[in-house]
Amino acid sequence: GQQLNQSPQSMFIQEGEDVSMNCTSSSIFNTWLWYKQDPGEGPVLLIALYKAGELTSNGRLTAQFGITRKDSFLNISASIPSDVGIYFCAGQLSPNAGKSTFGDGTTLTVKP
Amino acid sequence: GAVVSQHPSWVICKSGTSVKIECRSLDFQATTMFWYRQFPKQSLMLMATSNEGSKATYEQGVEKDKFLINHASLTLSTLTVTSAHPEDSSFYICSALDRGVLDTQYFGPGTRLTVL
Repeated sequence: GQQLNQSPQSMFIQEGEDVSMNCTSSSIFNTWLWYKQDPGEGPVLLIALYKAGELTSNGRLTAQFGITRKDSFLNISASIPSDVGIYFCAGQLSPNAGKSTFGDGTTLTVKP
Repeated sequence: GAVVSQHPSWVICKSGTSVKIECRSLDFQATTMFWYRQFPKQSLMLMATSNEGSKATYEQGVEKDKFLINHASLTLSTLTVTSAHPEDSSFYICSALDRGVLDTQYFGPGTRLTVL
């Protein structure tokens, strides 16, 4: 089946620094999604990307849908302590009943 | 974004009992919902796809008689863990598919199940 490789696995950064994480796949996706999960909570959708090459921002977050449709990255600028959590990428191939394939997550720790 | 609720948020039960978890889409109708389980520090593992008005589709390796899914309405899916055992202890998360937003999944807050 399809697999997503998400990197890095974890990051420890200082407050105010920028963060970059990415996902790659051996096969193409039609949709890329980025979620954030806080401990003991369900994932919350941050950004959805629907077209190859698309660059979308949501506040301090920016994500891009790779031209090859096999990768995506998420950038967080000027990190703050509440950015702490696990970030998951997910790829969706339509039509596939809406099922998503998830990456293994990037755990972000922000030091004040 | 769309709101999905889960109930209960946590449950502790004795081994051998059955536990029912509810997933509701609060502000949209969802013909498709998904059930995941998540172990500590791991990614989400899809268990099954819940389809309104029809049988659920289970992923390989997931026992359908163990994890009963019912999607009786456009806003409610239930997962029943039957004859629960300690190895069933996990974080169970549902998501609802909003087809009005390009098939975007919105997740519930999760249910922590502990089987003693």
